[in-house]
Amino acid sequence: DAGVIQSPRHEVTEMGQEVTLRCKPISGHNSLFWYRQTMMRGLELLIYFNNNVPIDDSGMPEDRFSAKMPNASFSTLKIQPSEPRDSAVYFCASSLSGDNYYEQYFGPGTRLTVT
Amino acid sequence: GEDVEQSLFLSVREGDSSVINCTYTDSSSTYLYWYKQEPGAGLQLLTYIFSNMDMKQDQRLTVLLNKKDKHLSLRIADTQTGDSAIYFCAESTSGTYKYIFGTGTRLKVLA
Repeated sequence: DAGVIQSPRHEVTEMGQEVTLRCKPISGHNSLFWYRQTMMRGLELLIYFNNNVPIDDSGMPEDRFSAKMPNASFSTLKIQPSEPRDSAVYFCASSLSGDNYYEQYFGPGTRLTVT
Repeated sequence: GEDVEQSLFLSVREGDSSVINCTYTDSSSTYLYWYKQEPGAGLQLLTYIFSNMDMKQDQRLTVLLNKKDKHLSLRIADTQTGDSAIYFCAESTSGTYKYIFGTGTRLKVLA
């Protein structure tokens, strides 16, 4: 299996521009997570989808952030407009969720730099 | 709220054992995980332990859980330079999707 795929791996953009990050989860997984990693705040869960439906978006920092999952094999995280404080590594993770257990597999991440 | 704490740095010599420690506060934690993050990469699940276990061994890795003290440790035997990475402890509760991650421990292996 190819694992979780994220693109782009690196993104440099100017403040005010729209940024779209993409994720392809592991085939057959029914849960998808978007995380943000920074030195100051560590790993933060931004949003969680189950069966393509957003279940918990309480971690999305502002209305500038939005996420979609149009089908089981694709998700996007969009930031519009971007700001320098959005600079971070964004990870997508997926899991096959059972009744009790959520073993998450992470993608390689997208390093976002907003200048 | 729930919290997971780790020391920030650990330095060991190649061939020695490494012990990375983690404490957590949520007494209802059911699963505890160790993830490894190499530079420029995502988090890789190394191992996990159920809260009803005291120990789990997987090749060079040994996980010890002291549920009374809410203390988890990861021992890496015969540490190699390829083990240099950041190690994250995480916990979750049965029936929930949310992981609580620690801050990560940066392991440096000296040749």
